[in-house]
Amino acid sequence: AQKVTQAQTEISVVEKEDVTLDCVYETRDTTYYLFWYKQPPSGELVFLIRRNSFDEQNEISGRYSWNFQKSTSSFNFTITASQVVDSAVYFCALQRTGRRALTFGSGTRLQVQP
Amino acid sequence: NAGVMQNPRHLVRRRGQEARLRCSPMKGHSHVYWYRQLPEEGLKFMVYLQKENIIDESGMPKERFSAEFPKEGPSILRIQQVVRGDSAAYFCASSPATGIYGYTFGSGTRLTVV
Repeated sequence: AQKVTQAQTEISVVEKEDVTLDCVYETRDTTYYLFWYKQPPSGELVFLIRRNSFDEQNEISGRYSWNFQKSTSSFNFTITASQVVDSAVYFCALQRTGRRALTFGSGTRLQVQP
Repeated sequence: NAGVMQNPRHLVRRRGQEARLRCSPMKGHSHVYWYRQLPEEGLKFMVYLQKENIIDESGMPKERFSAEFPKEGPSILRIQQVVRGDSAAYFCASSPATGIYGYTFGSGTRLTVV
């Protein structure tokens, strides 16, 4: 069975602080995909990143960066110099190769204070 | 170039009524997925459909819930005899038939059962 754990229920930071959101997953598959989505207060789901399990290179996109560690089954997400607009719930998700369903974590609510 | 369209955005039903949620996939996408998000929780996979076929309904409750994706028209998620516990956000996503298994999510339908 697949499982995604986001142990941080809620994080509050002050603007310009760096913040890391943790994601730990469980799967018996050797190939799989990992995702991060953002859900702002308006409620829609915004795709942030998709990572293949074979690709352990860290990725940076502007203020966002992702650290994939297959040895610890973690796919952590860091926001550098956070902004108020980053306030949202962030979800990590896992997809088995050959299956279409995503398994989501329970989400981390990030509150960025001005 | 519209994205995944879900309607209505908000739906209020009395206990015992039927709820019909609609999802029009992105142009060129022939696969549709439904997810449910209970309050303060992550998304849970419900069902995966292709045109006129249910491919994976492993996440669908056994009773009162059904889904279809007809040859013409949107995909419909139907909940009969709604109960308070059905109150949730229901998200639809679509993807193309081939290529990477990426999703595009709609903005969701928020169902409230009173």
